[in-house]
Amino acid sequence: EVQLVESGGGLVQPGRSLTLSCEGFAFAFDDHAMHWVRQRPGEGLQWVSGISWNSKSIGYADSVRGRFIVSRDNAKKSLYLQMNNLRPEDTAFYYCARDDTGGGSGGWYYFDSWGLGTLVTVSS
Amino acid sequence: QSVLTQPPSVSGAPGQRVTISCTGTTSNIGAGYDVHWYQHVPGTAPKLLIFGNINRPSGVPDRFSGSQSGTSASLVITGLRAEDEGHYYCQSQDISLSRHVVFGGGTKLTVL
Repeated sequence: EVQLVESGGGLVQPGRSLTLSCEGFAFAFDDHAMHWVRQRPGEGLQWVSGISWNSKSIGYADSVRGRFIVSRDNAKKSLYLQMNNLRPEDTAFYYCARDDTGGGSGGWYYFDSWGLGTLVTVSS
Repeated sequence: QSVLTQPPSVSGAPGQRVTISCTGTTSNIGAGYDVHWYQHVPGTAPKLLIFGNINRPSGVPDRFSGSQSGTSASLVITGLRAEDEGHYYCQSQDISLSRHVVFGGGTKLTVL
């Protein structure tokens, strides 16, 4: 059974950094683009970032571009999100999601597997 | 404000039918980008319900169906069950946002 497991969340002060990780199990990790999606308290799902199977295509939401960096290590079947200069409005559950496609020139598509999420709280 | 517009809430009694709309623009749904639907129950992982406007992944009951026309899409749930209660999100891409992913604001379904 396909499984995605996020880790790395926690309480962090504004302006500091935090790195999230997501490990994939029971599927060919390097066949799929991967994404980070977040849910702020009381709000809906918001796409944060996506990375293609070979890391050549990367995208960010405007709200995090220039502060967050997405990366992946296919040998470790892992996805990462380095979050810098964190703000209180970055407080959210962060979900790792698998794209049905590899995310090359065709772009992103839909998310067929999701993790349970990891909570990031930005507060002094 | 989400790029895709959904009603904040819908409700229905067990056995009834409900429809959740997802309204976009000529930059996303109207540009030909497919619409996908997810169910999210708090504390659990979001679940894919419909992909490519009308397709159900294996394991999703045929009580769930999707459609798309012009700049809008809809999710229809028939034979409502208590376990259908949760939040539902549509998702597509937007050409004005470099084809990045966009979600609807979400619709809370209450089974009365």
